[in-house]
Amino acid sequence: EPEVTQTPSHQVTQMGQEVILRCVPISNHLYFYWYRQILGQKVEFLVSFYNNEISEKSEIFDDQFSVERPDGSNFTLKIRSTKLEDSAMYFCASRLEDTGELFFGEGSRLTVL
Amino acid sequence: DQQVKQNSPSLSVQEGRISILNCDYTNSMFDYFLWYKKYPAEGPTFLISISSIKDKNEDGRFTVFLNKSAKHLSLHIVPSQPGDSAVYFCAAIDSMWDTGNQFYFGTGTSLTVIP
Repeated sequence: EPEVTQTPSHQVTQMGQEVILRCVPISNHLYFYWYRQILGQKVEFLVSFYNNEISEKSEIFDDQFSVERPDGSNFTLKIRSTKLEDSAMYFCASRLEDTGELFFGEGSRLTVL
Repeated sequence: DQQVKQNSPSLSVQEGRISILNCDYTNSMFDYFLWYKKYPAEGPTFLISISSIKDKNEDGRFTVFLNKSAKHLSLHIVPSQPGDSAVYFCAAIDSMWDTGNQFYFGTGTSLTVIP
């Protein structure tokens, strides 16, 4: 069964460092998303991406965040200068054009020290 | 502004009984609703969905009911099994056909099915 894959599964970084989280969405999907879940809190929308550009982003997704689809298969989330409060589980998701179902990856746990 | 609310953070049910998880929403433009199940340290997995043109959708042991006038939906699991123990998230979108529309998630309900 096709699945969304994410790497790394866990990354520990120092505050102020840059982090790149990688995702390989399901190959025929056209819409891509990043969500995050801070421990004990709700799943929060960060950004959606379609046709090689950001289509919607939340207020969490400030100038420190960026997304890219560099090669037609990977979908990356970059945090330029990490803060302690960026520590969370980051989920990548994708969906087909004609269905509402969102497929999630297993998540990348980011710990900022 | 929490547009999708799950007011019960946790629920315990005996194995074999019915589990009912509730979800309320405030945005009348939402027209597609989904339930996701999440185990610890894993990503949410899709469970069942319903569009606003229906009031019920059933898939095996899982049934979702939608009451548009009350802006309320519920997930029924019958019979509940210990493997159903997980966090359940309700999600809604305001149009499944627009590009880039975001999914609004509730805060989740942790279901424990007691053997």
